[in-house]
Amino acid sequence: QVRLQESGPGLVKPSETLSLTCTVSDYSISSGYYWGWVRQPPGRGLEWIGSMWHGGNAFYKPSMKSRVTMSADTSKNQFSLMLSSVTAADTAVYYCARNAEETTPYGPFDFWGQGALVTVSS
Amino acid sequence: DIVMTQSPDSLAVSLGERATINCKSSQSVLYSSNNKNYFAWYQHKAGQPPKLLMHWASTRESGVPDRFSGSGSGTDFTLTISSLQAEDVAVYYCQQYYSTPLTFGGGTKVDIK
Repeated sequence: QVRLQESGPGLVKPSETLSLTCTVSDYSISSGYYWGWVRQPPGRGLEWIGSMWHGGNAFYKPSMKSRVTMSADTSKNQFSLMLSSVTAADTAVYYCARNAEETTPYGPFDFWGQGALVTVSS
Repeated sequence: DIVMTQSPDSLAVSLGERATINCKSSQSVLYSSNNKNYFAWYQHKAGQPPKLLMHWASTRESGVPDRFSGSGSGTDFTLTISSLQAEDVAVYYCQQYYSTPLTFGGGTKVDIK
């Protein structure tokens, strides 16, 4: 059973950079699969942010691409999300998850973290 | 972007009765080379992460009760709960993974009548 856990600051100031890390257990991210981030603003639905391969190939939501960077640290079995120039609209629960297809991002998400609430406020 | 439109936004069903949720994609998510619909359903309960129920439109995940079934192809899909149980109260989302950006429907809230 693959386990994922998000970590990072729960409060970020407007215009600053949101940074979250997902620690994966019971599976090595360098063994395969794409790993992604999905968020849910309060009272709204799910929104895909991006998915990445441990080697660095990443796919981002176009409307967020200029602000998003995803990276992986295989030595720690972690992958990370950085979202710059945040506003109140970026307030959301952020989930990390695994894409169920081994070699492409074109798959559903089969394992999810519990989610981390990030509030953007001064 | 492929837009996913779910209906209804919410529904209330008596225990033991059938619940039906629809999802329509703005373009086909059927990949002709393998005849697979790149489509999934999730169940999302409050305070928990979403749970994958169904992929390839109608393939149930391991451990998902058989009262859940998925159907449809191309642009029109349905999730049916044949006999609603109390533990099925949740928001249900559809998702396409045919192309990036991966997109979700707006969600359907299912409650007990």
